[in-house]
Amino acid sequence: KNQVEQSPQSLIILEGKNCTLQCNYTVSPFSNLRWYKQDTGRGPVSLTIMTFSENTKSNGRYTATLDADTKQSSLHITASQLSDSASYICVVNQAGTALIFGKGTTLSVSS
Amino acid sequence: DADVTQTPRNRITKTGKRIMLECSQTKGHDRMYWYRQDPGLGLRLIYYSFDVKDINKGEISDGYSVSRQAQAKFSLSLESAIPNQTALYFCATSDLRPGQGSYNEQFFGPGTRLTVL
Repeated sequence: KNQVEQSPQSLIILEGKNCTLQCNYTVSPFSNLRWYKQDTGRGPVSLTIMTFSENTKSNGRYTATLDADTKQSSLHITASQLSDSASYICVVNQAGTALIFGKGTTLSVSS
Repeated sequence: DADVTQTPRNRITKTGKRIMLECSQTKGHDRMYWYRQDPGLGLRLIYYSFDVKDINKGEISDGYSVSRQAQAKFSLSLESAIPNQTALYFCATSDLRPGQGSYNEQFFGPGTRLTVL
């Protein structure tokens, strides 16, 4: 079954600290993997998109990694800010058309 | 994303009522999608359309219908609303142009919070 599993479900960190979110998937055939940030009450916004040949991609303080062999991805946030408080969603594009969404990790950054 | 707008943003309705959610986009994209999001669950695809004459069912289409009135407009209807359709609904667009490979990046609207009593 095509699935995207994210961990942890929720995370609380202090402002300025780093954190890493995990994503494991069993989607096949694989086309690409993307990370979205969703602020409360807003639509998801794309952070990074990676194909199987890309193993690292950065967007400012966000760095995503992809290991297509183990079907794992991570999103690393450096020097967290209060505005990073949001839900982070891992999405795998199954070759063709379907997007398989993870349930998301809720990050809370406190001062 | 201001390029994808949804109306209404919030709606409370009663069981059995017909309701329509509307989505408009100024991105010029051919592909449009409707998703629902429930607490603790990932987004789930309801319907999608690759152009004005193309409508496809998604994972959870039962109880919903759609209309693609124009390239820029895609509406979702609940023919007879029921309480378990209470959710956050998102419209999204994408444009798979030659040269963009398989990215198919989707751009989401701000969402409509629907409550069915």
